[in-house]
Amino acid sequence: DAKTTQPPSMDCAEGRAANLPCNHSTISGNEYVYWYRQIHSQGPQYIIHGLKNNETNEMASLIITEDRKSSTLILPHATLRDTAVYYCIVSNINQAGTALIFGKGTTLSVSS
Amino acid sequence: SQTIHQWPATLVQPVGSPLSLECTVEGTSNPNLYWYRQAAGRGLQLLFYSVGIGQISSEVPQNLSASRPQDRQFILSSKKLLLSDSGFYLCAWSPGTRAEAFFGQGTRLTVV
Repeated sequence: DAKTTQPPSMDCAEGRAANLPCNHSTISGNEYVYWYRQIHSQGPQYIIHGLKNNETNEMASLIITEDRKSSTLILPHATLRDTAVYYCIVSNINQAGTALIFGKGTTLSVSS
Repeated sequence: SQTIHQWPATLVQPVGSPLSLECTVEGTSNPNLYWYRQAAGRGLQLLFYSVGIGQISSEVPQNLSASRPQDRQFILSSKKLLLSDSGFYLCAWSPGTRAEAFFGQGTRLTVV
């Protein structure tokens, strides 16, 4: 079973920041928080991951609370091409025999 | 750079026929390999993962099987397809030293 809870859907206006929340209250000390997205009929795409510090890359920012029980993915300037299902996953796939377990994710709809 | 190849992109097979989907990874060695399935309107379900040649772990009991005959080759098979085997099949790989996983473009299987 997925270890995360996400809202089923969110809307965002084009050009505005999209803030996608994720709860992972049972995360263990060696588990990372990963974010992937899946555009319709394509394979999932890696976005970002973090352990306990906030992270930023060219796609997004990841804010992890100090107790690590929740996080927020931020797309600073959403575009129509960011419309997708966003998955928040906690895992440690560097550990032998561990895989990414996907939940239902959040369907983000960006509109003009 | 590393690439993942998955084929065919689409497949229509009759009930009771065999199945063989192949996935290969280039540009890396000893990757972790995964097969996922996504039924229509549902989330991604982990089917199999492999940490090395001949090492296969099954996550869900079903009439599918997986094999890893070579380091960078992962094959999903069935002796007799069922209607319920229809779905979007995705192969993925992850390196042992980095956290993210990379997905192929998927095979859309329709069993008729």
